[in-house]
Amino acid sequence: DQQVKQNSPSLSVQEGRISILNCDYTNSMFDYFLWYKKYPAEGPTFLISISSIKDKNEDGRFTVFLNKSAKHLSLHIVPSQPGDSAVYFCAASANNQGGKLIFGQGTELSVKP
Amino acid sequence: DADVTQTPRNRITKTGKRIMLECSQTKGHDRMYWYRQDPGLGLRLIYYSFDVKDINKGEISDGYSVSRQAQAKFSLSLESAIPNQTALYFCATSDPRVGHQETQYFGPGTRLLVL
Repeated sequence: DQQVKQNSPSLSVQEGRISILNCDYTNSMFDYFLWYKKYPAEGPTFLISISSIKDKNEDGRFTVFLNKSAKHLSLHIVPSQPGDSAVYFCAASANNQGGKLIFGQGTELSVKP
Repeated sequence: DADVTQTPRNRITKTGKRIMLECSQTKGHDRMYWYRQDPGLGLRLIYYSFDVKDINKGEISDGYSVSRQAQAKFSLSLESAIPNQTALYFCATSDPRVGHQETQYFGPGTRLLVL
């Protein structure tokens, strides 16, 4: 049972345009959500997060939107740059789980010059 | 210098062999985790430890064991490796006293191939 789902295995975007990566979840107890970025031969690195009490969090070119009623979050990257090409994982946790994360399958973003 | 290191970075072994993957961290974090990544499945939690005396199973602990030798060291063992344990393995750390408790910091990974 996949509690966190990223239904798009890959996404290709032109440099300078917006990249939108999507993530759906099923567990209504999740109250904190994170996005991680992973380059080949490296470990995932934390990118941005959002608490369930908010519906938007912005950090530079990266914005995460949370729609609790739809159990959906998205990561927007504007403008996209070739260096953003990587695999992006969304992850979720529930407060009563002591910080354990449940990860989605990942979406591979390719930003073409 | 990397805050979370993993050794070895790559390993090839044979079915039935015992193998240990090691993780060390200089972040001073109490919490450590082992994950495996498989294509199309994301990262799945194998074991986690919230302090030196605390060990907990994750969602896919069968066939694995761990040892928390010190705050800075957390080792993962495959007692008798099998081919479906071929995967990319990641160690991670976190500390609720530093930022949000869920923010985890990952090592570079160990690529394991079981023949």
